Amino acid sequence: GDSVTQMEGPVTLSEEAFLTINCTYTATGYPSLFWYVQYPGEGLQLLLKATKADDKGSNKGFEATYRKETTSFHLEKGSVQVSDSAVYFCALRGYSTLTFGKGTMLLVSP
Amino acid sequence: DVKVTQSSRYLVKRTGEKVFLECVQDMDHENMFWYRQDPGLGLRLIYFSYDVKMKEKGDIPEGYSVSREKKERFSLILESASTNQTSMYLCASRDRASYNEQFFGPGTRLTVL
Repeated sequence: GDSVTQMEGPVTLSEEAFLTINCTYTATGYPSLFWYVQYPGEGLQLLLKATKADDKGSNKGFEATYRKETTSFHLEKGSVQVSDSAVYFCALRGYSTLTFGKGTMLLVSP
Repeated sequence: DVKVTQSSRYLVKRTGEKVFLECVQDMDHENMFWYRQDPGLGLRLIYFSYDVKMKEKGDIPEGYSVSREKKERFSLILESASTNQTSMYLCASRDRASYNEQFFGPGTRLTVL
């Protein structure tokens, strides 16, 4: 079945550092890929998405590129802020539902 | 803006009680979902519904049931709550278009004593 593997956290960074959160997937066919973010005390919200190979999703300075050859969708940001502290979930959309990774907590200190 | 609301942010119940978690969305979405979120396990799908009166089991339906009598409302029911159902419960909705995102509610943190 479909699965998503993302790096375990927490990831601890200083403000303005470069961020990478790794995500790889296993799925049949060519799923759509998503990154969701969950800020403290809130539900999940979509951060970015990509629907086909080599697509790059981007939002709020975050980027991720759909790499079919490596079945990856790594999340990157060039300069993180304290306000980026949250839990980040990688997900894929199979036939009808989303399959989520376990989430990676990001902590950014001033 | 799409809004998904859940009836309670925090709920405390006793073992054996019947528990209702309510979710309402205001965007006329056909699809609705219930997940539970646990540390180290991420989000796991309990049930989903394609449309009114339709329901499908997700990955972990045991101990839960659902009801979708109206399009905007999707209820999760714990027939006899147990301590291992202590968790964060998240509701989401989505319109029928294939690649559209799911919109999540703020979650209900349920504690079963």
